[in-house]
Amino acid sequence: EPEVTQTPSHQVTQMGQEVILRCVPISNHLYFYWYRQILGQKVEFLVSFYNNEISEKSEIFDDQFSVERPDGSNFTLKIRSTKLEDSAMYFCASSRGLAGGYTGELFFGEGSRLTVL
Amino acid sequence: GQQLNQSPQSMFIQEGEDVSMNCTSSSIFNTWLWYKQDPGEGPVLLIALYKAGELTSNGRLTAQFGITRKDSFLNISASIPSDVGIYFCAGPSGTYKYIFGTGTRLKVLA
Repeated sequence: EPEVTQTPSHQVTQMGQEVILRCVPISNHLYFYWYRQILGQKVEFLVSFYNNEISEKSEIFDDQFSVERPDGSNFTLKIRSTKLEDSAMYFCASSRGLAGGYTGELFFGEGSRLTVL
Repeated sequence: GQQLNQSPQSMFIQEGEDVSMNCTSSSIFNTWLWYKQDPGEGPVLLIALYKAGELTSNGRLTAQFGITRKDSFLNISASIPSDVGIYFCAGPSGTYKYIFGTGTRLKVLA
């Protein structure tokens, strides 16, 4: 069964360093997302991406964050200068899109745990 | 902004018991998604609902799209230890975004 894959599974970094989290969405999906989850809390929306551009972003997704689809398969999240409060699980998700403009069901990867020291 | 509130927040149940949980919104949704999250893993889609009043099953799980379109319910029958985890509802907030509920943490006592 097709799945969303994420790398790395865990990354430890120093405050102020740049981090890139990578995702390979399901191959025939059109919509891509990043969510994050601080330990013990709910899953929070960061950004959605469609047709090679950001569709929507949350207040969390400030200038320190960026997303890119550098080729036909990868979808990346970059944090330019990490802060302690960026420590969280980051989940990539994709959906295939449905008739009528619905994005359809989201399928999630296993997540990348980011620890900022 | 929009929020999805889930109740109960957590529950302990005995193996074999049935479980009910719900999700409520302050605004109308046209889709409800239910996910389960195991510790350290990503959310896994359980059931998707697209019509008010819809009742959909997936094995021992049954979910309903509330008639008011502001709520949804998830039932688990005859719970087993592997049902342990956090259950999240999610709904679309705009065209390109789903928001998640606060979660119901389920613990099953063998």
